[in-house]
Amino acid sequence: DAMVIQNPRYQVTQFGKPVTLSCSQTLNHNVMYWYQQKSSQAPKLLFHYYDKDFNNEADTPDNFQSRRPNTSFCFLDIRSPGLGDAAMYLCATSRSRGLVGYTFGSGTRLTVV
Amino acid sequence: GQNIDQPTEMTATEGAIVQINCTYQTSGFNGLFWYQQHAGEAPTFLSYNVLDGLEEKGRFSSFLSRSKGYSYLLLKELQMKDSASYLCAVRDQDDSWGKLQFGAGTQVVVTP
Repeated sequence: DAMVIQNPRYQVTQFGKPVTLSCSQTLNHNVMYWYQQKSSQAPKLLFHYYDKDFNNEADTPDNFQSRRPNTSFCFLDIRSPGLGDAAMYLCATSRSRGLVGYTFGSGTRLTVV
Repeated sequence: GQNIDQPTEMTATEGAIVQINCTYQTSGFNGLFWYQQHAGEAPTFLSYNVLDGLEEKGRFSSFLSRSKGYSYLLLKELQMKDSASYLCAVRDQDDSWGKLQFGAGTQVVVTP
């Protein structure tokens, strides 16, 4: 089935050690998003791409970066994870600008030790 | 920007009806979404409203009043599997990217 896949499902990283989360999609959607969701909080948008056009939110920390090498893949890099970066990271896709809702991946739960 | 408010938690009995309210304050508006999120899982799409009125989809219905900045999600004939967080999300009309701003979610607890 066409879907959005995030790997790994659970990731443990050491404080300050760079970590990369991945997302792939078979939906051929133009737009991809990365959200951070902490416990009992709203998902917070970090980045989004329309094709290769990149946009980060004004309050996304510099510690976070993203890459989209092609339509199918998108990566979230955390250069120096801190304890406050422990969260669920959600990847989502949509078909076009502003017309439809999202398809979410299953998320990656990041733990920082 | 957006302010999206919804209650933190609601409890209801299996077989009952629960109504989850969502209010929003935005500079523009281009649609409101409801998502269901089980613990530790990704949100799944439930409903979409862009015009005023009620949208019904099986046991779930969603209502929108744009003039009041108000929506609700109605869950009927509650089942134990409906225990989850329900997220209200708004798309700003001025945002050509189509990105959604989410509320913090309402945790619904269904009891036997």
